[in-house]
Amino acid sequence: DAGVIQSPRHEVTEMGQEVTLRCKPISGHNSLFWYRQTMMRGLELLIYFNNNVPIDDSGMPEDRFSAKMPNASFSTLKIQPSEPRDSAVYFCASRPLDYTDTQYFGPGTRLTVL
Amino acid sequence: RKEVEQDPGPFNVPEGATVAFNCTYSNSASQSFFWYRQDCRKEPKLLMSVYSSGNEDGRFTAQLNRASQYISLLIRDSKLSDSATYLCVVNSPNDYKLSFGAGTTVTVRA
Repeated sequence: DAGVIQSPRHEVTEMGQEVTLRCKPISGHNSLFWYRQTMMRGLELLIYFNNNVPIDDSGMPEDRFSAKMPNASFSTLKIQPSEPRDSAVYFCASRPLDYTDTQYFGPGTRLTVL
Repeated sequence: RKEVEQDPGPFNVPEGATVAFNCTYSNSASQSFFWYRQDCRKEPKLLMSVYSSGNEDGRFTAQLNRASQYISLLIRDSKLSDSATYLCVVNSPNDYKLSFGAGTTVTVRA
């Protein structure tokens, strides 16, 4: 079975550019999470969707960040404009319908903003 | 205070040794507990859930102490492939969030 799919795997961009990260959750999972991981702050939850609806975006650092989930099989995280401090690994995770707490992570997107 | 705190290590142990480490959590109402494993430059992966009575999965044993609000992981007969960062994970009661510790790094040497 395919796991969570993320693209791109690596992104290098210049400050001020728009960055779009993509995620395809595991089929049948109804919850999707975006995380950011840095050495300094560890793994931080940015936003959570349930049945394609954003439930809590309190972890989104500022208005430059936005996330969408237009359907059950696709989500995007956009940063506009990007800044060097946004450099991190961004993970997408999904959770199955049975509402267990177990989350399955994608391979992550390593973002570098120069 | 952080919701989940872990000793960052690193724990450097020889092959075949036993290594154990703990984490503490702040919310006494938490109900679900996990250990995730994260290899260098990879995603976190579920290692095992932690049940109230304690549980084993092969060489791995997890314990939960609700009174003291800590969770432990013990690795017996450690292998080189056990080298990783182990993340302690606790749910927030009545919602969807998982709180991740910063991780404990274990390095097993030949």
